[in-house]
Amino acid sequence: QVTLKESGPGMLQPSKTLSLTCSFSGFSLSTSGMVVSWIRQPSGKSLEWLAAIDWDGDKYYNPSLKSRLTVSKDTSNTQVFLKITSVDTADTATYYCARNWELDYWGQGVMVTVSS
Amino acid sequence: DVVLTQTPSTLSATIGQSVSISCRSSQSLLDSAGNTYLYWYLQRPGQSPQLLIYLVSNLGSGVPNRFSGSGSGTDFTLKISGVEAEDLGVYYCMQATHAPWTFGGGTKLELK
Repeated sequence: QVTLKESGPGMLQPSKTLSLTCSFSGFSLSTSGMVVSWIRQPSGKSLEWLAAIDWDGDKYYNPSLKSRLTVSKDTSNTQVFLKITSVDTADTATYYCARNWELDYWGQGVMVTVSS
Repeated sequence: DVVLTQTPSTLSATIGQSVSISCRSSQSLLDSAGNTYLYWYLQRPGQSPQLLIYLVSNLGSGVPNRFSGSGSGTDFTLKISGVEAEDLGVYYCMQATHAPWTFGGGTKLELK
């Protein structure tokens, strides 16, 4: 059974760095062709793809946010991380991780609020 | 970035009615290898999106066959043949032909 679960700080102040973790089971990121992506959704709005990392460690970023994003994975290939630097209120959203390029399995999402 | 325009933004339907949602792309989604990376998702209230259709017309795992996808190039359609109560929510199209992947603005399906 494939499951993904995001975790994060819930709330943080502007200008800080947001650190998110995607913990998953039922598949391994070491499997050839496997990818995990990060997507976010402000309340009541559409979805925005942020970044992805593949089985070979290659990283992909949305150019609009690339300078602020860092995606990585752990050596056991069961967790993926996303860091967003210099957050502001526009980064308030629910953050999801999802598997494969077609995003066939999603986590439940973690709400992040940026507020002073 | 590729812009995906979904119409209508809201769709009211009765149970059993057939409905269609359009997704129009600002660029062709056909890549040089002949693949079209267009996907459809449903986000039920309070839930994460779930994959319905991949590569324009292929049904996702466990997705009922009342859902179907079609289209090519820049114009794509999701059809529901006989709406059921569990189909209510917001539908999104997504393209993965051109980086960065982008989503449509969503179509909310509600009961009439």
